[in-house]
Amino acid sequence: KNEVEQSPQNLTAQEGEFITINCSYSVGISALHWLQQHPGGGIVSLFMLSSGKKKHGRLIATINIQEKHSSLHITASHPRDSAVYICAVARNYGGSQGNLIFGKGTKLSVKP
Amino acid sequence: NAGVTQTPKFQVLKTGQSMTLQCAQDMNHEYMSWYRQDPGMGLRLIHYSVGAGITDQGEVPNGYNVSRSTTEDFPLRLLSAAPSQTSVYFCASSRGTSYEQYFGPGTRLTVT
Repeated sequence: KNEVEQSPQNLTAQEGEFITINCSYSVGISALHWLQQHPGGGIVSLFMLSSGKKKHGRLIATINIQEKHSSLHITASHPRDSAVYICAVARNYGGSQGNLIFGKGTKLSVKP
Repeated sequence: NAGVTQTPKFQVLKTGQSMTLQCAQDMNHEYMSWYRQDPGMGLRLIHYSVGAGITDQGEVPNGYNVSRSTTEDFPLRLLSAAPSQTSVYFCASSRGTSYEQYFGPGTRLTVT
């Protein structure tokens, strides 16, 4: 079983819909990242979370440390949101630096 | 700031050839890492470094070498290229895994 699981793998939505992408993990973490990758493009950081909730424009990310679960929400989706969304966790090594573990990504397509 | 730069953007190698993928950052980040991205596999860690002179292996290190002689540069060397190393390679830097991650634009490598 992968240590970071994302669902769904693929998602098609109509413009304007509310979208939720989920990320579950099985290890202790110090932080969780949400990343975005447009087709043929580079990877950009959307959020870094260690607790609670963050909002940036139409994007909202939440994390529940006890349940080992995070969600990325997109309100009023737009075709330009079409991209792969990647969840990554920073494993907690008790203060020492480790590495990131990545989910396989969720491919989102928003139709006009 | 240029952020994270990678060269070259594209490269075609013949089996058995060697080459170095360059990665540089101008943000004085201690943590740098190399990933490969293959369809259906997500991002996989090759090697990472937590500071100049310190490197460690990731999930898929075989066939690759790294060194970190300066804070700014983290080159990835392919010792004897194989078709299985055909992939897109991303370099990333940050203050650490619990901080915002900055990715380079990627290098698309084809080994024939």
